[in-house]
Parts: sequence; C-alpha cells; structure tokens
Amino acid sequence: GDSVTQMEGPVTLSEEAFLTINCTYTATGYPSLFWYVQYPGEGLQLLLKATKADDKGSNKGFEATYRKETTSFHLEKGSVQVSDSAVYFCALSSIFGGTSYGKLTFGQGTILTVHP
Amino acid sequence: EAQVTQNPRYLITVTGKKLTVTCSQNMNHEYMSWYRQDPGLGLRQIYYSMNVEVTDKGDVPEGYKVSRKEKRNFPLILESPSPNQTSLYFCASSPTATSYNEQFFGPGTRLTVL
Repeated sequence: GDSVTQMEGPVTLSEEAFLTINCTYTATGYPSLFWYVQYPGEGLQLLLKATKADDKGSNKGFEATYRKETTSFHLEKGSVQVSDSAVYFCALSSIFGGTSYGKLTFGQGTILTVHP
Repeated sequence: EAQVTQNPRYLITVTGKKLTVTCSQNMNHEYMSWYRQDPGLGLRQIYYSMNVEVTDKGDVPEGYKVSRKEKRNFPLILESPSPNQTSLYFCASSPTATSYNEQFFGPGTRLTVL
C-alpha cells in the first residue's frame, strides 16, 4: 500500500536558518503530494501541494518539488522564523492501488522548533 | 467563515460508556473523513464518506461507527470505548474525493478513555 516516510525529528533551528525536512513516498499510480502544518492546539492546515511530477508547490516562503524519479517531496525554507514552529506532515493522496478515494496517507510528522 | 467544527474539543470518559463526537462543515463539501493522530504514527483514516448515505471503512475502523444523514454532518460514534482509543481525533472535508483536493481539518477532539 501507499506510505510516506519523513525525516526523524524533532528539528531545532535558530531564526533565519535554512530548513529542510525530507519526505519520501511509496505509491501506486500518480499521487498528489501535500505538506500540512499543525500549529499548537490547532487542526492541520494545508501549507502547499503538487499534483504532478516536477510541479513545485510554494507558500509563505516554503517550497517543495514533486520528484518522481526519487519519489521525494522535500520541504525547504530559506530563512525560518519563530512563528514557523509547528509540526509538519508530508502526505499523499492517490486513487489507485485499492486505497480509499480521497484518503490522505500521512508521514509521522516532524516537530520544528525555531529559537530567536 | 468556512470551517469544520468538532465537539467536544476535550473528553475524558470511562471504558464502555458510549460517546459521539460531532463534526460539521459549512462548505457544502461532498467528502468527509475521520482521522486519529497518535505519536509517531501520523494520522490514520478511520472512516470516510463520499456523499450522503455513502460511507466506508478506512485503515483503522475497528471500534468506531459513523453515519452521514445530512451533507454537513458526519458524527463519529464509539459504542464501547476502550483505552486504546485514547487519541486525538480530526474530522476533515473536501469538495469531492478527487486526489488533488485540499482537505480542510477541524480543530481536533482529544479523547481520553480510562
């Protein structure tokens, strides 16, 4: 079945540092890929998405590129802020391989803490 | 404001006492889903609904029931809760079940079963 693997966390950075959170996936067919963010005490919000190979999703200074050849969707940001402290989830959605329609398959989440 | 609401936000209960967690969305979405979030496991789908009166199991449906009598509501029912159902629960909705659609999440319900 489908699966998503995120880099081990937690990640602790100083403000203005460069961020990379690795994400790789296994899926049947052509999944759409997502990054969701969860701020403390809140539900998940979509951060960015990409629906086909070589697409780049971007939002709020974050970027991720859909790499079919390496089955990856790494999240990057050039200069993090304290307000970026949150849990980040990589996820995929596919209508192939017997998965339920619309289901999101999530990675385990990466806790990011940014210090001033 | 477009949103998904869940109630209650926090619940402590005892083993075997039936409970319902409500979920409602005001975006006229066809697709709704329940997930549970556990440390180190990410979110896993419990049940989903393609539209009114159409529901199906996700990856971890044991011990849960759902119903979809109206488009906007999708309650999660635990007939006889057990401690292994202690978790953080999220309801989500999207316009349709298409794979590229964003899903909108509720604020979560933290359930503790003693």
